[in-house]
Amino acid sequence: EVQLVESGGGLIQPGGSLRLSCAASGLTVSSNYMSWVRQAPGEGLEWVSVLYRNGNTYYADSVKGRFTISRDNSKNTLYLQMNSLRAEDTAVYYCARSNSENYYVVDYWGQGTLVTVSS
Amino acid sequence: DIQMTQSPSSLSTSVGDRVTITCRASQSISYYLNWYQQKPGKAPKLLIYAASSLQSGVPSRFSGSGSGTDFTLTISSLQPEDFATYYCQQSYSTPHTFGQGTKLEIK
Repeated sequence: EVQLVESGGGLIQPGGSLRLSCAASGLTVSSNYMSWVRQAPGEGLEWVSVLYRNGNTYYADSVKGRFTISRDNSKNTLYLQMNSLRAEDTAVYYCARSNSENYYVVDYWGQGTLVTVSS
Repeated sequence: DIQMTQSPSSLSTSVGDRVTITCRASQSISYYLNWYQQKPGKAPKLLIYAASSLQSGVPSRFSGSGSGTDFTLTISSLQPEDFATYYCQQSYSTPHTFGQGTKLEIK
């Protein structure tokens, strides 16, 4: 059974930093197209970042230069380092696997971790 | 980036109704269109992938159609558990953008 378990969210002041983690079981992070998707309170889904199998990364314009996606193969864990946080980064952050063998559909989601940026 | 536009943004419906939600892409995305259902406080759940393929375990009252730029999600007979928000997503090119969502509400 595949499980994605996020952690690391919390309350942080504007300008601060947080690192989110997504511990995977039942799949190998380094062999998959792994993404972070966020959802601000009462809003829709916003794709944030992706880490390809080959190590290439891509970021939404709204987080480019501030967020960094990475993985630790030995821990089978995906990360999102978030710096210079702003109030508009407040959201539930989901870790997600896009199935590269099936139209890149997101077939596994974590439960989400809430990040609140506020003074 | 490819923009995804859903309509309507909300819909008041009743149990037993037939519901259709549309999604339009700003450029052709072939069949790379997926539909998700989300309930409050939960992660999205995959319903339909590749425009019309039903995810395993999803009731057959859900169906999808379309290709290119225009797509639809149809619920043939709405059940109480279907009141939720529905999102389309293109997975044709990075970033895999989502539509803004359609919230189904009880009339």
